[in-house]
Amino acid sequence: SAVISQKPSRDICQRGTSLTIQCQVDSQVTMMFWYRQQPGQSLTLIATANQGSEATYESGFVIDKFPISRPNLTFSTLTVSNMSPEDSSIYLCSGGEEYEQYFGPGTRLTVT
Amino acid sequence: GDSVTQMEGPVTLSEEAFLTINCTYTATGYPSLFWYVQYPGEGLQLLLKATKADDKGSNKGFEATYRKETTSFHLEKGSVQVSDSAVYFCALSDGGSNYKLTFGKGTLLTVNP
Repeated sequence: SAVISQKPSRDICQRGTSLTIQCQVDSQVTMMFWYRQQPGQSLTLIATANQGSEATYESGFVIDKFPISRPNLTFSTLTVSNMSPEDSSIYLCSGGEEYEQYFGPGTRLTVT
Repeated sequence: GDSVTQMEGPVTLSEEAFLTINCTYTATGYPSLFWYVQYPGEGLQLLLKATKADDKGSNKGFEATYRKETTSFHLEKGSVQVSDSAVYFCALSDGGSNYKLTFGKGTLLTVNP
Protein backbone atom coordinates (compact mmCIF):
# COMPACT_ATOMS: atom_id res chain seq x y z
CA SER A 1 0.00 0.00 0.00
CA ALA A 2 0.95 3.66 -0.24
CA VAL A 3 0.55 6.42 2.31
CA ILE A 4 -0.40 9.79 0.88
CA SER A 5 -0.18 13.13 2.62
CA GLN A 6 -1.55 16.47 1.48
CA LYS A 7 -0.76 20.02 2.45
CA PRO A 8 -2.52 22.15 3.50
CA SER A 9 -5.26 20.17 5.20
CA ARG A 10 -7.59 23.14 4.97
CA ASP A 11 -7.56 26.76 3.94
CA ILE A 12 -9.82 29.74 3.66
CA CYS A 13 -9.04 31.90 0.65
CA GLN A 14 -10.28 35.12 -0.85
CA ARG A 15 -12.03 35.27 -4.18
CA GLY A 16 -9.61 35.86 -7.07
CA THR A 17 -6.57 34.34 -5.38
CA SER A 18 -4.85 31.00 -6.08
CA LEU A 19 -3.97 28.08 -3.84
CA THR A 20 -1.47 25.30 -4.49
CA ILE A 21 -2.09 21.92 -2.88
CA GLN A 22 0.77 19.49 -2.45
CA CYS A 23 0.49 15.71 -2.56
CA GLN A 24 3.31 13.49 -1.33
CA VAL A 25 3.42 9.70 -1.62
CA ASP A 26 5.69 7.61 0.59
CA SER A 27 6.74 5.41 -2.32
CA GLN A 28 7.03 5.69 -6.08
CA VAL A 29 3.73 5.22 -7.86
CA THR A 30 2.86 5.07 -11.52
CA MET A 31 -0.53 6.73 -11.36
CA MET A 32 -1.55 9.92 -9.59
CA PHE A 33 -4.92 11.61 -9.84
CA TRP A 34 -6.69 14.68 -8.51
CA TYR A 35 -10.36 14.60 -7.49
CA ARG A 36 -12.87 17.11 -6.21
CA GLN A 37 -15.54 16.24 -3.65
CA GLN A 38 -18.17 18.91 -3.28
CA PRO A 39 -20.19 18.97 -0.04
CA GLY A 40 -22.35 15.87 0.26
CA GLN A 41 -21.39 14.71 -3.21
CA SER A 42 -19.30 12.00 -4.77
CA LEU A 43 -15.81 12.36 -6.11
CA THR A 44 -15.26 13.84 -9.53
CA LEU A 45 -11.98 13.29 -11.33
CA ILE A 46 -10.24 16.53 -12.30
CA ALA A 47 -7.20 15.14 -14.05
CA THR A 48 -4.53 12.49 -14.27
CA ALA A 49 -1.13 13.82 -13.23
CA ASN A 50 1.45 12.49 -15.66
CA GLN A 51 5.07 12.37 -14.62
CA GLY A 52 7.19 14.59 -16.82
CA SER A 53 4.39 15.68 -19.12
CA GLU A 54 1.19 17.69 -19.15
CA ALA A 55 -1.74 16.43 -17.09
CA THR A 56 -4.75 14.84 -18.78
CA TYR A 57 -7.90 16.74 -17.88
CA GLU A 58 -11.45 15.46 -17.70
CA SER A 59 -14.33 17.16 -19.43
CA GLY A 60 -15.22 20.39 -17.67
CA PHE A 61 -11.76 20.98 -16.20
CA VAL A 62 -9.05 23.06 -17.90
CA ILE A 63 -5.38 23.62 -17.35
CA ASP A 64 -5.67 27.36 -16.90
CA LYS A 65 -7.97 26.88 -13.93
CA PHE A 66 -6.34 23.78 -12.44
CA PRO A 67 -2.66 23.63 -13.41
CA ILE A 68 -1.01 20.44 -12.24
CA SER A 69 2.62 19.49 -11.88
CA ARG A 70 4.20 16.11 -11.35
CA PRO A 71 7.98 16.40 -11.31
CA ASN A 72 8.63 12.85 -10.11
CA LEU A 73 6.96 9.58 -9.11
CA THR A 74 6.20 10.62 -5.51
CA PHE A 75 4.98 14.21 -5.71
CA SER A 76 2.32 16.31 -7.41
CA THR A 77 0.72 19.72 -7.00
CA LEU A 78 -2.69 21.07 -7.96
CA THR A 79 -3.28 24.80 -8.16
CA VAL A 80 -6.78 26.20 -7.98
CA SER A 81 -6.52 29.50 -9.82
CA ASN A 82 -8.58 32.67 -9.69
CA MET A 83 -10.85 31.14 -7.10
CA SER A 84 -14.55 31.77 -6.71
CA PRO A 85 -16.95 30.52 -4.00
CA GLU A 86 -17.97 27.71 -6.38
CA ASP A 87 -14.49 26.25 -5.94
CA SER A 88 -15.19 25.58 -2.27
CA SER A 89 -14.73 21.85 -2.03
CA ILE A 90 -12.50 19.05 -0.77
CA TYR A 91 -9.64 18.28 -3.13
CA LEU A 92 -8.11 14.84 -2.93
CA CYS A 93 -5.14 13.27 -4.58
CA SER A 94 -4.73 9.57 -5.10
CA GLY A 95 -1.83 7.42 -6.16
CA GLY A 96 -1.08 3.82 -6.82
CA GLU A 97 -0.49 1.12 -9.32
CA GLU A 98 -3.08 -0.02 -11.81
CA TYR A 99 -6.17 -1.07 -9.84
CA GLU A 100 -4.85 -0.17 -6.40
CA GLN A 101 -5.43 3.52 -5.70
CA TYR A 102 -4.83 5.10 -2.30
CA PHE A 103 -6.17 8.45 -1.27
CA GLY A 104 -4.82 11.36 0.66
CA PRO A 105 -6.83 12.88 3.53
CA GLY A 106 -7.98 15.77 1.36
CA THR A 107 -7.66 19.54 1.43
CA ARG A 108 -10.77 21.37 2.52
CA LEU A 109 -10.94 24.67 0.64
CA THR A 110 -13.34 27.48 1.47
CA VAL A 111 -13.45 30.50 -0.82
CA THR A 112 -14.99 33.68 0.54
CA GLY B 1 -19.40 6.60 -20.69
CA ASP B 2 -18.81 4.63 -17.54
CA SER B 3 -21.17 5.10 -14.63
CA VAL B 4 -21.92 3.69 -11.20
CA THR B 5 -25.32 3.71 -9.55
CA GLN B 6 -25.58 2.91 -5.89
CA MET B 7 -28.33 2.76 -3.38
CA GLU B 8 -29.51 6.08 -2.11
CA GLY B 9 -29.03 6.69 1.55
CA PRO B 10 -29.01 7.33 4.28
CA VAL B 11 -29.20 3.82 5.70
CA THR B 12 -29.79 3.42 9.42
CA LEU B 13 -29.38 0.05 11.11
CA SER B 14 -29.15 -1.35 14.58
CA GLU B 15 -25.97 -3.04 15.72
CA GLU B 16 -25.69 -6.67 14.54
CA ALA B 17 -28.16 -6.13 11.68
CA PHE B 18 -27.45 -7.39 8.16
CA LEU B 19 -26.24 -4.81 5.67
CA THR B 20 -26.69 -4.66 1.91
CA ILE B 21 -25.75 -1.65 -0.18
CA ASN B 22 -26.63 -2.11 -3.82
CA CYS B 23 -24.30 -1.07 -6.62
CA THR B 24 -24.74 -1.50 -10.37
CA TYR B 25 -22.50 -0.26 -13.13
CA THR B 26 -22.31 0.55 -16.81
CA ALA B 27 -19.00 0.17 -18.55
CA THR B 28 -17.45 -0.89 -21.81
CA GLY B 29 -15.31 -3.97 -21.54
CA TYR B 30 -14.60 -5.61 -18.21
CA PRO B 31 -13.95 -3.12 -15.46
CA SER B 32 -12.50 -3.68 -12.03
CA LEU B 33 -14.84 -2.89 -9.16
CA PHE B 34 -14.20 -1.37 -5.76
CA TRP B 35 -15.79 -0.34 -2.52
CA TYR B 36 -14.25 2.58 -0.70
CA VAL B 37 -15.19 3.77 2.78
CA GLN B 38 -14.93 7.26 4.24
CA TYR B 39 -15.14 7.42 8.02
CA PRO B 40 -16.19 10.73 9.59
CA GLY B 41 -13.42 13.28 9.24
CA GLU B 42 -11.11 10.92 7.38
CA GLY B 43 -10.04 10.27 3.81
CA LEU B 44 -11.15 7.47 1.53
CA GLN B 45 -9.91 3.99 2.25
CA LEU B 46 -10.04 1.04 -0.10
CA LEU B 47 -12.33 -1.52 1.53
CA LEU B 48 -12.32 -4.30 -1.05
CA LYS B 49 -11.99 -4.95 -4.74
CA ALA B 50 -12.69 -7.49 -7.48
CA THR B 51 -10.93 -7.45 -10.82
CA LYS B 52 -12.86 -10.06 -12.81
CA ALA B 53 -16.27 -11.67 -13.04
CA ASP B 54 -17.28 -13.94 -10.15
CA ASP B 55 -14.43 -12.66 -7.97
CA LYS B 56 -15.41 -12.01 -4.38
CA GLY B 57 -13.71 -9.18 -2.56
CA SER B 58 -13.70 -9.29 1.23
CA ASN B 59 -12.29 -7.30 4.13
CA LYS B 60 -13.26 -6.57 7.75
CA GLY B 61 -16.35 -8.79 7.45
CA PHE B 62 -17.57 -7.01 4.31
CA GLU B 63 -18.02 -8.91 1.05
CA ALA B 64 -18.98 -8.10 -2.53
CA THR B 65 -19.18 -10.39 -5.56
CA TYR B 66 -18.55 -9.18 -9.12
CA ARG B 67 -21.65 -10.28 -11.08
CA LYS B 68 -21.16 -9.67 -14.77
CA GLU B 69 -24.59 -11.00 -15.74
CA THR B 70 -26.36 -8.43 -13.58
CA THR B 71 -23.58 -5.78 -13.76
CA SER B 72 -23.66 -5.57 -9.98
CA PHE B 73 -21.27 -5.42 -7.04
CA HIS B 74 -23.44 -5.28 -3.93
CA LEU B 75 -21.76 -4.75 -0.56
CA GLU B 76 -22.82 -7.01 2.31
CA LYS B 77 -21.96 -7.54 5.95
CA GLY B 78 -23.61 -10.06 8.20
CA SER B 79 -23.47 -8.10 11.45
CA VAL B 80 -22.71 -4.40 11.47
CA GLN B 81 -21.09 -2.52 14.32
CA VAL B 82 -21.34 1.08 15.42
CA SER B 83 -17.79 1.54 14.14
CA ASP B 84 -19.00 0.74 10.59
CA SER B 85 -20.84 4.06 10.46
CA ALA B 86 -19.38 5.82 7.43
CA VAL B 87 -20.01 6.75 3.81
CA TYR B 88 -19.52 3.89 1.36
CA PHE B 89 -18.62 4.50 -2.27
CA CYS B 90 -18.85 2.00 -5.08
CA ALA B 91 -16.39 2.64 -7.91
CA LEU B 92 -15.09 1.16 -11.12
CA SER B 93 -11.94 1.39 -13.18
CA ASP B 94 -12.04 0.42 -16.79
CA GLY B 95 -8.31 -0.18 -16.96
CA GLY B 96 -6.81 0.26 -20.36
CA SER B 97 -3.98 2.76 -20.30
CA ASN B 98 -5.58 4.85 -17.55
CA TYR B 99 -6.80 3.39 -14.27
CA LYS B 100 -8.92 6.35 -13.26
CA LEU B 101 -11.89 5.68 -10.99
CA THR B 102 -15.56 6.47 -11.58
CA PHE B 103 -17.49 6.74 -8.33
CA GLY B 104 -21.08 6.33 -7.30
CA LYS B 105 -22.73 9.02 -5.20
CA GLY B 106 -22.00 7.33 -1.90
CA THR B 107 -24.27 5.83 0.76
CA LEU B 108 -24.25 7.10 4.31
CA LEU B 109 -24.55 4.27 6.83
CA THR B 110 -25.39 4.96 10.45
CA VAL B 111 -25.33 2.08 12.91
CA ASN B 112 -27.04 2.64 16.25
CA PRO B 113 -26.15 0.72 19.41
